Amino acid sequence: EIVMTQSPATLSVSPGERATLSCRASQSVSSNLAWYQQKPGQAPRLLIYGASARATGIPARFSGSGSGTDFSLTISSLQSEDFAVYYCQQYNNWPQTFGQGTKVEIK
Amino acid sequence: EVQVVESGGGLVKPGGSLRLSCAASGFTFSDSGLTWVRQAPGKGLEWVSSISSSSSYIYYADSVKGRFTISRDNGKNSVYLQMNSLRAEDTAVYYCARSPTVVKTDTRYLDYWGQGTLVTVSS
Repeated sequence: EIVMTQSPATLSVSPGERATLSCRASQSVSSNLAWYQQKPGQAPRLLIYGASARATGIPARFSGSGSGTDFSLTISSLQSEDFAVYYCQQYNNWPQTFGQGTKVEIK
Repeated sequence: EVQVVESGGGLVKPGGSLRLSCAASGFTFSDSGLTWVRQAPGKGLEWVSSISSSSSYIYYADSVKGRFTISRDNGKNSVYLQMNSLRAEDTAVYYCARSPTVVKTDTRYLDYWGQGTLVTVSS
């Protein structure tokens, strides 16, 4: 099973600032990596797939990069609605696995 | 508009059974892969099971293999999760999610999700 490790666990950021979240896979997942956003009481929402492709309707301030084992999600200028928990997921191998999540909170 | 709606959750005793349903619309259901993902209270996301468009390919997490069964009815645009021998650690919100396919690796991401149904296993 591929283990996905996200860092940091919590990121404190002021509105308007840039946030960079990291995700590392225990073995290569090629570019088969997705990022999801989850707000309290809501279902996850797909942000990024294929490591860098934005999902439909996702603002351009969200960008993803990386391949192989190291990935990042960048939010260029945090808006109030962006404070949430973010999960990475590899879908290259079965079982699909998620990272433990990074909580982005207001500083 | 895409809609994914789960149902069937509830309170069940350890060792009991429950069948979850997921009804979807707004996309070509019969061409899509379907997946169940769960989230224990206050915890992260855990992939549970996936099924391909024609039911030819089915995958399970080790934690549920032999106890849970995924199935689908393309005529009813629905996917199901039969859960037997339930344990306290199965307590979670269960989400149904779609992927463009399950067979092709680069399209297994989960693009549409339901709001989830809560399963509580407790005596």
